[in-house]
Amino acid sequence: QVQLQESGPGLVKPSQTLSLTCNVSGGSITSGAYHWTWIRQHPGKGLEWIANIYYSGSTYSNPSLRSRVTTSLDTSKNQFSLKLSSVTAADTAVYYCARTFNNYADYWGQGTPVTVSS
Amino acid sequence: DIQMTQSPSSLSASVGDRVTLTCRASQSITNYLNWFQQKAGKGPNLLIYGASRLQIGVPSRFSGSGSGTDFTLTISSLQPEDFAIYYCQQTYSFPLTFGQGTKVEIK
Repeated sequence: QVQLQESGPGLVKPSQTLSLTCNVSGGSITSGAYHWTWIRQHPGKGLEWIANIYYSGSTYSNPSLRSRVTTSLDTSKNQFSLKLSSVTAADTAVYYCARTFNNYADYWGQGTPVTVSS
Repeated sequence: DIQMTQSPSSLSASVGDRVTLTCRASQSITNYLNWFQQKAGKGPNLLIYGASRLQIGVPSRFSGSGSGTDFTLTISSLQPEDFAIYYCQQTYSFPLTFGQGTKVEIK
């Protein structure tokens, strides 16, 4: 059974960089059949796609965030990561990682809440 | 960007009711449409992919239909565990976008 688990600081100061990691168990992130996704949800709001990361190294990210988003894969740890720079209060959200197969996210993490505040 | 519009934004229904939720895309997305269920405090759960394909493990009372710009999610007989928020998502083109959600509440 595939499981994903987000981790990272729950509190980040404005203008700093938010760093999150998603640990994948029950499957390998090196499988070319899948790609890996970050999505966030602002408090009481809907879902916002952040980025897809492919084993090839390609990344597609939301244009609204692209200049601030960095993603990476750590195959030795079977993890993938998200960095979001220059955060503001508008980046306060629950961040989810997910596995995507054939255009649908079939396994999700439980989500990690992040608050941006001084 | 492709805009996804769900209707209604909320509805009240009783256990056993047949419920239909609608999702409309601002341009054709062929069948690149997924439906997710989200319960309070939990991550989304995939119900339907490719507009009409039932994800493994999802009860058969859920069904999806549509293509192009108009899609529906139907729950044939609403169960207590179905009270949640439902989101549609297009994966036809980047940036991937979601609808604003439909909240299904108990009448």
